[in-house]
Amino acid sequence: GAGVSQSPSNKVTEKGKDVELRCDPISGHTALYWYRQSLGQGLEFLIYFQGNSAPDKSGLPSDRFSAERTGGSVSTLTIQRTQQEDSAVYLCASSSNTEAFFGQGTRLTVV
Amino acid sequence: GQQLNQSPQSMFIQEGEDVSMNCTSSSIFNTWLWYKQDPGEGPVLLIALYKAGELTSNGRLTAQFGITRKDSFLNISASIPSDVGIYFCAGPEYGNKLVFGAGTILRVKS
Repeated sequence: GAGVSQSPSNKVTEKGKDVELRCDPISGHTALYWYRQSLGQGLEFLIYFQGNSAPDKSGLPSDRFSAERTGGSVSTLTIQRTQQEDSAVYLCASSSNTEAFFGQGTRLTVV
Repeated sequence: GQQLNQSPQSMFIQEGEDVSMNCTSSSIFNTWLWYKQDPGEGPVLLIALYKAGELTSNGRLTAQFGITRKDSFLNISASIPSDVGIYFCAGPEYGNKLVFGAGTILRVKS
């Protein structure tokens, strides 16, 4: 596709359930980021994948959060046993060098 | 990791006014990027700067890469209502990983 694609665009889940958020980066981009953004706030870094290197997981807030990037392309962010404080917009970005391009985000609501 | 300090945190200006925001880092950057995020959307790249002292314009936007390589500013001239949003600066730290400023929230009174 022409840009970064994220799915679903909106997700409502019950507290305690697991969720998976998907990111399809721009073809050929070696770097992929996940960020979390609460309403009106800045970008909270979660995880960074760069090529075949070990991912930088330093931003993951707890062990309930994990992410994979299969075949250097599609990435999935998984949140286990969701809590209400996990409600936010989750943004994915990809890059081939320095300039990163963002998807539209997934709005997660935990009820 | 590196810290980016972005200011002001928010601005509420009159339509037609000029806007200026800046970003400083604790260490040298080789690239400065400026993004804008419209409500309900992902951030979009506005301007990329690659050379110290570089001044780049994109319509009513002008951005500069500071000579010390530790700062950058973004100016918006003659603001209009659609300039509303959050503006982020960013730069690469180790391994090209981008670090972002906390953002400047811009509101425009028409």
